[in-house]
Amino acid sequence: EAQVTQNPRYLITVTGKKLTVTCSQNMNHEYMSWYRQDPGLGLRQIYYSMNVEVTDKGDVPEGYKVSRKEKRNFPLILESPSPNQTSLYFCASRHTNTGELFFGEGSRLTVL
Amino acid sequence: KNQVEQSPQSLIILEGKNCTLQCNYTVSPFSNLRWYKQDTGRGPVSLTIMTFSENTKSNGRYTATLDADTKQSSLHITASQLSDSASYICVVSATYGDMRFGAGTRLTVKP
Repeated sequence: EAQVTQNPRYLITVTGKKLTVTCSQNMNHEYMSWYRQDPGLGLRQIYYSMNVEVTDKGDVPEGYKVSRKEKRNFPLILESPSPNQTSLYFCASRHTNTGELFFGEGSRLTVL
Repeated sequence: KNQVEQSPQSLIILEGKNCTLQCNYTVSPFSNLRWYKQDTGRGPVSLTIMTFSENTKSNGRYTATLDADTKQSSLHITASQLSDSASYICVVSATYGDMRFGAGTRLTVKP
């Protein structure tokens, strides 16, 4: 089954404790991206990657890092989480021809 | 500045009724517009895509329209069902790849 898998789905952490949210897709898509979703603001892009070893900032990259060492994986790293990073995070990959985005199930992060 | 605005922000209708959601955009040069449905606690899923040459496209009880001249799109839901309760997100892509997301419309269908 074609899918985007994120882990963990839920996480509660404390300020300053580094964490990584993993994302993996099995559709061989070149483009992958991370979004955060906050009430009233909709989906905002954090980082995206056009292909392996190619990453770029989205609209709200501050406080986040990413890497793309393999085509299927695109982890999101919070080096020193802060409470304003409490949010619902989505990873997505994009079909090369149709442009359709395929989203993961989301990761709800709470930073205390 | 490329932007996408959706209205209304939220909507409550009775089961069986029809409704129309709006999406206005300033994205240029325009490539395509997609409507996504996001169930609570899930990731968005594509409903339909509209390209420059398309005015209307249907997907079951969902019908999307596009007016490229006025830069407006609508999503019409016919004979609503409880399972239509979700957020509906309009995403507009420019030809050079930039994607802009609307904030979404939260639809609640009540029995």
